[in-house]
Amino acid sequence: GAGVSQSPSNKVTEKGKDVELRCDPISGHTALYWYRQSLGQGLEFLIYFQGNSAPDKSGLPSDRFSAERTGGSVSTLTIQRTQQEDSAVYLCASSLDGTLSYNEQFFGPGTRLTVL
Amino acid sequence: QKEVEQDPGPLSVPEGAIVSLNCTYSNSAFQYFMWYRQYSRKGPELLMYTYSSGNKEDGRFTAQVDKSSKYISLFIRDSQPSDSATYLCASPPGSARQLTFGSGTQLTVLP
Repeated sequence: GAGVSQSPSNKVTEKGKDVELRCDPISGHTALYWYRQSLGQGLEFLIYFQGNSAPDKSGLPSDRFSAERTGGSVSTLTIQRTQQEDSAVYLCASSLDGTLSYNEQFFGPGTRLTVL
Repeated sequence: QKEVEQDPGPLSVPEGAIVSLNCTYSNSAFQYFMWYRQYSRKGPELLMYTYSSGNKEDGRFTAQVDKSSKYISLFIRDSQPSDSATYLCASPPGSARQLTFGSGTQLTVLP
């Protein structure tokens, strides 16, 4: 079956512009996660959705970052007024049920964001 | 100090070698421990997970957890060039659902 998909695969933008990154989780997965992977910081958690709610937004680095999830499926991560330090690979993952103590997270291929 | 520290690498070994990858963690609330493998330009994929202390074997891979020393290991026997990837240890802290990752070790297995 289809895995987690993300679009675009690559995004180059100019400093100060807004960007939207999209994630399509595996069908039926209620939990969705956004992570960021950069050379200096490794893989860092950004936000977690259970259904359409986000019980944990603790990883969002600033108020320029926001995310939403609609219909318990697709999620969009928005970065406003992008800065060069936002350059990273943004990874989305989904799992069957985030309320259980352990659930395997399946990752998408990521969106590589470059801010010039 | 990061909650999960991982040997920095990169690591280069000849085909057939036994590989040892290691992490330490500081949060006593960690109970599940995962190893993810990430090929270049791909997302991480789960290789193995263990619960609490002990060993778990899957083919050529063995995951080991020692909670008393807060030490996590992944052993790869008879390493193959196809094992060349970045290996990431991870754990969900306490009741949290997101994963805390180590920085990753880049492994190259030379034919």
